[in-house]
Amino acid sequence: DQQVKQNSPSLSVQEGRISILNCDYTNSMFDYFLWYKKYPAEGPTFLISISSIKDKNEDGRFTVFLNKSAKHLSLHIVPSQPGDSAVYFCAAKRNYGGSQGNLIFGKGTKLSVKP
Amino acid sequence: EAQVTQNPRYLITVTGKKLTVTCSQNMNHEYMSWYRQDPGLGLRQIYYSMNVEVTDKGDVPEGYKVSRKEKRNFPLILESPSPNQTSLYFCASPRAPGGQDGRYTEAFFGQGTRLTVV
Repeated sequence: DQQVKQNSPSLSVQEGRISILNCDYTNSMFDYFLWYKKYPAEGPTFLISISSIKDKNEDGRFTVFLNKSAKHLSLHIVPSQPGDSAVYFCAAKRNYGGSQGNLIFGKGTKLSVKP
Repeated sequence: EAQVTQNPRYLITVTGKKLTVTCSQNMNHEYMSWYRQDPGLGLRQIYYSMNVEVTDKGDVPEGYKVSRKEKRNFPLILESPSPNQTSLYFCASPRAPGGQDGRYTEAFFGQGTRLTVV
């Protein structure tokens, strides 16, 4: 039972264009969503997050949109740069029971930004 | 500098030989977690801890043990490793949720431990 789904294993984008990474979730008890970026041989690093009470959060070139009714969020990177090439994980925080603070991750989307 | 430190970074071992992967954080966080990353499966939580002496199973706890005797350390123990535990392991330490809006901040991850069980 996969509660956080990233249905695109990979995405290829031209430098300077927009990258849109998508994530769907099934559990309405999630109260916070995060995006992580991971380079090979490194641990994931936090990129941007959004509370379930918001529908948009922006940080520089990165914007996360949340559509609660559709249980869908997306990460937009504009403009995309070759250094953005990495695996991006969507994660959701549980807000119930004794497991508050724990994150459930999607399978990741590998983004390749071509010069 | 906020850090989560895992050791070792790489480990090759044989089936059945007990091993421990250490994890330490310098942020005085209450929460710590262990994840494993496998191709096509993303990051899956093994165990987590909400405070000293408080631990609980994540989504894939079979074959693993943890302990939390002090706040900064959260070792992952494989009593009898098997080849299906060959994976990339990450320790993470988020700040606890707080604030009226349940504001949550990101988890800090260690660099990873690549374990191979032959």
